[in-house]
Amino acid sequence: EAQVTQNPRYLITVTGKKLTVTCSQNMNHEYMSWYRQDPGLGLRQIYYSMNVEVTDKGDVPEGYKVSRKEKRNFPLILESPSPNQTSLYFCASSKGVNTEAFFGQGTRLTVV
Amino acid sequence: EDQVTQSPEALRLQEGESSSLNCSYTVSGLRGLFWYRQDPGKGPEFLFTLYSAGEEKEKERLKATLTKKESFLHITAPKPEDSATYLCAVGNSGYSTLTFGKGTMLLVSP
Repeated sequence: EAQVTQNPRYLITVTGKKLTVTCSQNMNHEYMSWYRQDPGLGLRQIYYSMNVEVTDKGDVPEGYKVSRKEKRNFPLILESPSPNQTSLYFCASSKGVNTEAFFGQGTRLTVV
Repeated sequence: EDQVTQSPEALRLQEGESSSLNCSYTVSGLRGLFWYRQDPGKGPEFLFTLYSAGEEKEKERLKATLTKKESFLHITAPKPEDSATYLCAVGNSGYSTLTFGKGTMLLVSP
């Protein structure tokens, strides 16, 4: 089954404690991206990757890092989380930026 | 800067009452306009891609159309299971990113 898998689904953490949200896809897609979704603001792109070792900033990259060492994995790293990063996060993958995207189930992050 | 505006923000329909959702966009070089459906607590699910003005696509009770400035998602004789948030997004020829609208929350009552 074609899918994008994110872990964890829910996470409560404290300010400043580094965390990683994992994302994996099984469709051999080249393009992967991370979004955050906030009430009233919609989906906003954090980072994206066109292929292995190629990543770039989206609209709201501050406070986040990513890496793409393998085609299937695209982890999101928060090195020093702050309360304003409390949000619902989605990972997505697609063949290209302008093709159908498959989204993960989402990770609800709370930073206290 | 690309902009996507969806209207209305929320729409309540009776079962069987057809209507349309609007997605207005400004983009320098449209590479694709996308419609997604999102159920509460879940990731968006792909519905349609439209690439050029005049294009139309249909899936069950949904039909998407595209002009040079906006797209419509027509819902014919909706059912309660069509209740969801519908998202519109545009791809830009000059960038490798997608810009999403804030969505229209649709509620269909039996």
